[in-house]
Amino acid sequence: AQSVTQPDIHITVSEGASLELRCNYSYGATPYLFWYVQSPGQGLQLLLKYFSGDTLVQGIKGFEAEFKRSQSSFNLRKPSVHWSDAAEYFCAVGNFGNEKLTFGTGTRLTIIP
Amino acid sequence: DTEVTQTPKHLVMGMTNKKSLKCEQHMGHRAMYWYKQKAKKPPELMFVYSYEKLSINESVPSRFSPECPNSSLLNLHLHALQPEDSALYLCASSLGTLLAGGPTSYNEQFFGPGTRLTVL
Repeated sequence: AQSVTQPDIHITVSEGASLELRCNYSYGATPYLFWYVQSPGQGLQLLLKYFSGDTLVQGIKGFEAEFKRSQSSFNLRKPSVHWSDAAEYFCAVGNFGNEKLTFGTGTRLTIIP
Repeated sequence: DTEVTQTPKHLVMGMTNKKSLKCEQHMGHRAMYWYKQKAKKPPELMFVYSYEKLSINESVPSRFSPECPNSSLLNLHLHALQPEDSALYLCASSLGTLLAGGPTSYNEQFFGPGTRLTVL
């Protein structure tokens, strides 16, 4: 069965500093990987996705993620965070053959001035 | 139109009430989903409709009854809920496996803003 692990429950970063959120997945075949962001009380917004091809994926809001098959990881990065990036971030894996997504437990990002 | 809309935004209901949540999309998507999300937790899948047919039911109690009247609309009928059912209910849609024709758009789900449900 597929699974996603986000080892960091909560991360605090200073505004303007760089950010890396970790995501590890377990899946037998080539995974379909996603990062979603959720502001309090809101729905989820897709930041970026990886299906195949270039392992460095660019997303919206200046985010990028790198797929590393050897490490089963899909970490999210941003070179300089803004106060508006404070939110909950979910990594998710989908699999071919059905429409299910498996979400990680999420990482809450706090930005300090 | 590239969004999923949900109504109402907030709903308070008693345990004997019957209410419905509504979800709509006009992106031509043929897969639609209901998720339940408790505070500080990831979304939990409840139901998936694929081409207006129920394809996945994640062992959800019968007090939740989904309905997909057409390809743009998804309802969730609520009856005799319990206080522990209070949560954010999210709707999502995606292209659907047959239309996707491959992995380029497959499984990319677009979420609505959710309905905050409180059961008293």
